[in-house]
Amino acid sequence: KQEVTQIPAALSVPEGENLVLNCSFTDSAIYNLQWFRQDPGKGLTSLLLIQSSQREQTSGRLNASLDKSSGRSTLYIAASQPGDSATYLCAVQGAQKLVFGQGTRLTINP
Amino acid sequence: ETGVTQSPTHLIKTRGQQVTLRCSSQSGHNTVSWYQQALGQGPQFIFQYYREEENGRGNFPPRFSGLQFPNYSSELNVNALELDDSALYLCASSLDGGGGYTFGSGTRLTVV
Repeated sequence: KQEVTQIPAALSVPEGENLVLNCSFTDSAIYNLQWFRQDPGKGLTSLLLIQSSQREQTSGRLNASLDKSSGRSTLYIAASQPGDSATYLCAVQGAQKLVFGQGTRLTINP
Repeated sequence: ETGVTQSPTHLIKTRGQQVTLRCSSQSGHNTVSWYQQALGQGPQFIFQYYREEENGRGNFPPRFSGLQFPNYSSELNVNALELDDSALYLCASSLDGGGGYTFGSGTRLTVV
């Protein structure tokens, strides 16, 4: 059974810092890994999708890496801004479904 | 390109009642999945529909059921509502069940 863990559960940093969010999964047989952002009470916004054959993806200030052999992914956010405050969810795709971690609640302080 | 739309956005029901939630998939997507997200938790997979057939189910009782229509839109039905069914229900669409999922804004269900 696939299990996904995200560390830390919550993170508060001053504006401008670079930061790393971590995601680990127990079964390396995945199709892809997707990082999402969720604002309070809202749906999920896809940030980055990494196919199982890829090592990393970049979009603007975001960079996500994938190491299937070790069951790990990281989301790197450069030059953080108050607007980046949200919950970040990691999800791995197996057959027919996504398995999510519990998320990292990120607060960027002005 | 239209995204995933869900209706209604909020709903309050009484324990024991039945509810139907609706989802329109993103243009070009043929697979719809439903997830339940309790407060402070990650979303949990309920089931997936592909070509109008259930194509995978999570650990949810049979009172959770669904439909997919020829235009790929979908419904989630929950019978005999319980207080623990209070959650955010998320719909996601994809192409052939892979290549990344697009989520809707969700339906907030409160059971009292």
